[in-house]
Amino acid sequence: EDQVTQSPEALRLQEGESSSLNCSYTVSGLRGLFWYRQDPGKGPEFLFTLYSAGEEKEKERLKATLTKKESFLHITAPKPEDSATYLCAVSSNTGKLIFGQGTTLQVKP
Amino acid sequence: DGGITQSPKYLFRKEGQNVTLSCEQNLNHDAMYWYRQDPGQGLRLIYYSQIVNDFQKGDIAEGYSVSREKKESFPLTVTSAQKNPTAFYLCASSITGTGNTIYFGEGSWLTVV
Repeated sequence: EDQVTQSPEALRLQEGESSSLNCSYTVSGLRGLFWYRQDPGKGPEFLFTLYSAGEEKEKERLKATLTKKESFLHITAPKPEDSATYLCAVSSNTGKLIFGQGTTLQVKP
Repeated sequence: DGGITQSPKYLFRKEGQNVTLSCEQNLNHDAMYWYRQDPGQGLRLIYYSQIVNDFQKGDIAEGYSVSREKKESFPLTVTSAQKNPTAFYLCASSITGTGNTIYFGEGSWLTVV
């Protein structure tokens, strides 16, 4: 069964304290892995798409990486405005998009 | 600006009432989706449509209905048969095909009163 698990569920960081969020997946044929940022009461905002192991993408303080079993979202020197819930989703050969539960990040000044 | 517009942002439904959530996109995407988001749970797919005049049930379609008469529009009706409709509803769209990025609207809150 296709499955996506994100960890930790919640993460508290001090401003400037770098860390990583994890997205582990088991799917029948990966067609794409997606990262989104969601602020409270708003729709998810697209961040990155990764298609193959070894691929990396960056945007400002965020960097997403992909292996055959998991993806990491690295946050370098985070700021309070990076506080949000980060969602991971995986598209498989079945055509379905499966979402993880999300990691809620809080960055304190 | 290109994007996905959902309305209304907040909607209250009385018991036994049907309500319709609107979703319009001007991204020229063929595929459109409706998801439901509940606290502590991941997004769950209600219905999706890959092309005009065609749509498929997702994982939790019971108590919901949709139509796709125009490429730009994919309204969702929450019927009285939906026993627990209070949730955050998200409309999304993408280019047709597996592995393409889907983009979301701002969401609609539905509360049963």
